[in-house]
Amino acid sequence: AQSVAQPEDQVNVAEGNPLTVKCTYSVSGNPYLFWYVQYPNRGLQFLLKYITGDNLVKGSYGFEAEFNKSQTSFHLKKPSALVSDSALYFCAVRDSFSNYQLIWGAGTKLIIKP
Amino acid sequence: DAGVIQSPRHEVTEMGQEVTLRCKPISGHDYLFWYRQTMMRGLELLIYFNNNVPIDDSGMPEDRFSAKMPNASFSTLKIQPSEPRDSAVYFCASSLSGGTDSNQPQHFGDGTRLSIL
Repeated sequence: AQSVAQPEDQVNVAEGNPLTVKCTYSVSGNPYLFWYVQYPNRGLQFLLKYITGDNLVKGSYGFEAEFNKSQTSFHLKKPSALVSDSALYFCAVRDSFSNYQLIWGAGTKLIIKP
Repeated sequence: DAGVIQSPRHEVTEMGQEVTLRCKPISGHDYLFWYRQTMMRGLELLIYFNNNVPIDDSGMPEDRFSAKMPNASFSTLKIQPSEPRDSAVYFCASSLSGGTDSNQPQHFGDGTRLSIL
């Protein structure tokens, strides 16, 4: 069965420091992996995706994610955090054999402190 | 470009009343998804459509919930009768088909915050 785990409910980072939001997945076929961000009272916004190719994927707002097949992980990273990065982050996965339905993680609240 | 548009943004009603949530997807998108978000259960897919046809409604919690997509630019999610446990934020999202790759991102509206008293 497909699944996504975001092991941290909340991540706290000081402004200017690097940040990592973790995501691990389980699928039967090749994974299609996505990160979305949700700001308060807003819908989810697409950040980046991994389909195939280079394991390091760059996305919006300076975020990037590294696909690691052996560890079945797709961690979201940013070299230098901004207070405005504070939001709820969701990882999602779909395998190459499935329909268009995404399997969503529970979300990680990222708090960037000045 | 206009994104996914949902209405109303907020709805407060009494238990037993009918509630209708509306969604206008991005023009040209052929997939439409309805989600529910709560603190307890997170983000749940309720139903999704392809070319206006419901494909998977296994996430619809009970017969009180129904969804329609009469044309490519409009969808509704109806709850009748509503109950307090239906209180949540309901999101609509749309996407383009990606052929067999299914790698197109979903674009979300800003949701309808529903409170059933």
